[in-house]
Amino acid sequence: DAKTTQPTSMDCAEGRAANLPCNHSTISGNEYVYWYRQIHSQGPQYIIHGLKNNETNEMASLIITEDRKSSTLILPHATLRDTAVYYCIVRVSNSGYALNFGKGTSLLVTP
Amino acid sequence: GAVVSQHPSRVICKSGTSVKIECRSLDFQATTMFWYRQFPKQSLMLMATSNEGSKATYEQGVEKDKFLINHASLTLSTLTVTSAHPEDSSFYICSAPGAGGNGAQETQYFGPGTRLLVL
Repeated sequence: DAKTTQPTSMDCAEGRAANLPCNHSTISGNEYVYWYRQIHSQGPQYIIHGLKNNETNEMASLIITEDRKSSTLILPHATLRDTAVYYCIVRVSNSGYALNFGKGTSLLVTP
Repeated sequence: GAVVSQHPSRVICKSGTSVKIECRSLDFQATTMFWYRQFPKQSLMLMATSNEGSKATYEQGVEKDKFLINHASLTLSTLTVTSAHPEDSSFYICSAPGAGGNGAQETQYFGPGTRLLVL
């Protein structure tokens, strides 16, 4: 799996958009960008994934740069319940393999 | 979406005893499940891959005789921590690959975790 780099922590005001960056400059052509989050004392939760096109679902949007070397997860209207550690993971699309979690970004949403 | 459950959610045991943790896929079948361990303020670390009908594969440094894994059916994997010691106190999490359409095969579904405290 390609290595990813994320900021250690970020703050965001409630109701504002949270933009979480991820660098993955060594990503290869068949690797996807996945985002998971882990709320304190819970199991990780899948958020979104993409290959090269931008993606949007009910939870978030994923913006991938044209060269695919970086991406941004966008939570459009952050709530206090979005406080969590967010993990950006790059890997081939094969769910037969475990996920390799890095340190992630600890997002704190404040009132 | 797919649901993975774990039981128990919390367990406290005495040093030297064994503890069994169950991981179930509730609405889908999983021939493979993964077990992770997470220490405070650290990320998840893969311990082993549980394979239905065959032996589990363990990550380097994980003692297979201490962490017994059984994947007896397509919906159940168990992790038994044998002769538990205080250093085994941790948050244990299982996951299973998704099944179905809409990209679900490309995602992992995680259980809620089991917090083990060994006294």
